[in-house]
Amino acid sequence: KAGVTQTPRYLIKTRGQQVTLSCSPISGHRSVSWYQQTPGQGLQFLFEYFSETQRNKGNFPGRFSGRQFSNSRSEMNVSTLELGDSALYLCASSQGWGDENTEAFFGQGTRLTVV
Amino acid sequence: AQKITQTQPGMFVQEKEAVTLDCTYDTSDPSYGLFWYKQPSSGEMIFLIYQGSYDQQNATEGRYSLNFQKARKSANLVISASQLGDSAMYFCAMREELKAAGNKLTFGGGTRVLVKP
Repeated sequence: KAGVTQTPRYLIKTRGQQVTLSCSPISGHRSVSWYQQTPGQGLQFLFEYFSETQRNKGNFPGRFSGRQFSNSRSEMNVSTLELGDSALYLCASSQGWGDENTEAFFGQGTRLTVV
Repeated sequence: AQKITQTQPGMFVQEKEAVTLDCTYDTSDPSYGLFWYKQPSSGEMIFLIYQGSYDQQNATEGRYSLNFQKARKSANLVISASQLGDSAMYFCAMREELKAAGNKLTFGGGTRVLVKP
């Protein structure tokens, strides 16, 4: 059974550009959550999608957005990149939504560097 | 609001010895889950162990065990018989077990563990 796949693994972008990151969850999983990890702020929740609907959102500006497709694959987009957006972006896949004992399985992340 | 505190930023442990990683949490939710993840230098978060707030027994998974003290709001991870491959960052995380909360995890700041041969 394939794990969570995030693409690309590494990205270098220039300030002001936009970027799209992709996450393919484990087959059969319908929930995808996104996290940002930085040395200063640690791991912070961005948003969660379940059945193509955003169910939860963290405290991030509107430049951060996402979507989920009918096959549960998810993309997140960051527009007008800032230097502070440089981070490891992690995607987590879960089978259900709001179910007890539901594990979240993470991908290897996309490391974004903004120059 | 939920909060997770890991007071040990880093620690050394001798190979084959046990190590305890501290985690305290704060929540007003009656039902929650506690998780530990391992993050090697590759970046991937690897699930280690889960403890539900209503579980009567401490969770165990192989060499990992969770020392859950609900009254003290602590959920310490114990790794027995440390191996060189255990060198990594370890994160404690919490999730509200309410339907509306979904799968959102709140993480602590992490503890870096270095296993010495």
